[in-house]
Amino acid sequence: KAGVTQTPRYLIKTRGQQVTLSCSPISGHRSVSWYQQTPGQGLQFLFEYFSETQRNKGNFPGRFSGRQFSNSRSEMNVSTLELGDSALYLCASSQLAGWGTDTQYFGPGTRLTVL
Amino acid sequence: QQQVKQSPQSLIVQKGGIPIINCAYENTAFDYFPWYQQFPGKGPALLIAIRPDVSEKKEGRFTISFNKSAKQFSLHIMDSQPGDSATYFCAASSNTGGFKTIFGAGTRLFVKA
Repeated sequence: KAGVTQTPRYLIKTRGQQVTLSCSPISGHRSVSWYQQTPGQGLQFLFEYFSETQRNKGNFPGRFSGRQFSNSRSEMNVSTLELGDSALYLCASSQLAGWGTDTQYFGPGTRLTVL
Repeated sequence: QQQVKQSPQSLIVQKGGIPIINCAYENTAFDYFPWYQQFPGKGPALLIAIRPDVSEKKEGRFTISFNKSAKQFSLHIMDSQPGDSATYFCAASSNTGGFKTIFGAGTRLFVKA
């Protein structure tokens, strides 16, 4: 099975712009979670989607949003970029089909730099 | 209640040593406790995971010890090798009210040859 893929891998934007990141989960996985990773804050949970519904959200401002499509692919959008949004954005997928299937598999991440 | 506290922040051991990384959680709703290993430039990869009804789990050189009453769990790496040098994250997950995983802050491990 192919792993979790994320595009693009690297992105450079300027303050005030918006950005859309994409994640394709492992085939058969219905849950997609997004995380922000920075040296100072570690891995922070952004949100989780399951069957096109956002089921859980972390403590991030409304500038961070996401969606999931019927094929389980997910996108994350950040509007009005700030310097502090520079980070590695990781996507993880899970089957969540019952006991023992909640292991998350991570993609390689998208490295976002805001200038 | 949502925090997972991980220590130490960094660790240096000699090859063959047994590094131990500790984590503590507060929310009893967590029911799945994975450990992830991350190399520079890569996403975290699952190493080993445990459920609270088990006190110990071993996979190869990696062992998780779990103390449900103390709400603590730890990772032991037996016969550590330079290739084990990476950042290790503990995590706690719950699928109640939506799936959510909270990660510890990470431990940077360096194994000296």
